[in-house]
Amino acid sequence: TQLLEQSPQFLSIQEGENLTVYCNSSSVFSSLQWYRQEPGEGPVLLVTVVTGGEVKKLKRLTFQFGDARKDSSLHITAAQPGDTGLYLCAGDGLSNTGKLIFGQGTTLQVKP
Amino acid sequence: KAGVTQTPRYLIKTRGQQVTLSCSPISGHRSVSWYQQTPGQGLQFLFEYFSETQRNKGNFPGRFSGRQFSNSRSEMNVSTLELGDSALYLCASREPADTQYFGPGTRLTVL
Repeated sequence: TQLLEQSPQFLSIQEGENLTVYCNSSSVFSSLQWYRQEPGEGPVLLVTVVTGGEVKKLKRLTFQFGDARKDSSLHITAAQPGDTGLYLCAGDGLSNTGKLIFGQGTTLQVKP
Repeated sequence: KAGVTQTPRYLIKTRGQQVTLSCSPISGHRSVSWYQQTPGQGLQFLFEYFSETQRNKGNFPGRFSGRQFSNSRSEMNVSTLELGDSALYLCASREPADTQYFGPGTRLTVL
């Protein structure tokens, strides 16, 4: 059974601070997605990483896929209140079955 | 392109009833996956449909079923509702071997 361990589960920080969210597994994934979800809404895709060692940047967000494609991280620089939300990592198995394995999620609160 | 749409957005049912939820994928997407999201279990995969065929199924009881139509629209049905079925039900569509894009979800409350 493939599992994704996401940490931390909760994060409350002040505006301007940096943070990193981790997603770890013992399984290899063909790709890994990061989503952000607002209460009562569906997850919105932030990025997809496919290649081991890949780094992608989206404004103040930096995403990294581990060399072995078993782990990933999301780093936010100078967090803003608008970054508040639930961040989810999701892995797509090697057989690309349309079944995403989700981490437990990280609830981020950025206080002004 | 319009995004994934789900109807209804909110639904209240009582135990023992059945419910049908609908999902319209992004135009051109032939794969639709369904997920259940609860505070305790997070997001869990229910099933995936591609070209009207169920290709993969998660670990849910047989009360949960689905189907896909020739226009790629999909429905999921839950029979004999239980209190524990209260959740946000999400569907996602994609091109084969591509990223999944989610709809806004249907919030089901079972009383």
